[in-house]
Amino acid sequence: EDQVTQSPEALRLQEGESSSLNCSYTVSGLRGLFWYRQDPGKGPEFLFTLYSAGEEKEKERLKATLTKKESFLHITAPKPEDSATYLCAVRTRGGSEKLVFGKGTKLTVNP
Amino acid sequence: SQTIHQWPATLVQPVGSPLSLECTVEGTSNPNLYWYRQAAGRGLQLLFYSVGIGQISSEVPQNLSASRPQDRQFILSSKKLLLSDSGFYLCAWSRFYEQYFGPGTRLTVT
Repeated sequence: EDQVTQSPEALRLQEGESSSLNCSYTVSGLRGLFWYRQDPGKGPEFLFTLYSAGEEKEKERLKATLTKKESFLHITAPKPEDSATYLCAVRTRGGSEKLVFGKGTKLTVNP
Repeated sequence: SQTIHQWPATLVQPVGSPLSLECTVEGTSNPNLYWYRQAAGRGLQLLFYSVGIGQISSEVPQNLSASRPQDRQFILSSKKLLLSDSGFYLCAWSRFYEQYFGPGTRLTVT
């Protein structure tokens, strides 16, 4: 069964304190790994798609990387507005049109 | 650009009452459409997805159903709500790989 595990469940950082979120996956053939940001009471907002090991994508203070077993979302010099829950999802060869989501990491950045 | 709408934004319904949530997408044609439920501590659970009008795939056996009467319209229904149906319901669309989510409906069953 395809599985996605995100760690830590929650992370508190001081403004400017860089860190990384982890997404590890066990799937039968990866067809894409996706990162989303979700603010409280809102729908997830698409951030990145990664397709193959070694690939990296950047957007402002965020950089996503991918290996054969996991993905990292690096947050450089975070600001309070980066506080949100970050979700990871995978699309697999056997999953047709479906995404399998992790439970997310709740990030809080204190000023 | 594409836009996805969901309504209502919030809903409080008694146990045993019917349910109808609606989702519409603008700015694209023949999208794949999805219904998810998000419960606290459980992540996003895929309920239904559709690759075309009248084509519905169910992921989780339950008292919910979905319909796609038009290309860009997706409806989630129930004849009799249960307490366990409470949650945050999200509609999403995709054309290729990425899925894009709507604003969600917060459903509370009392």
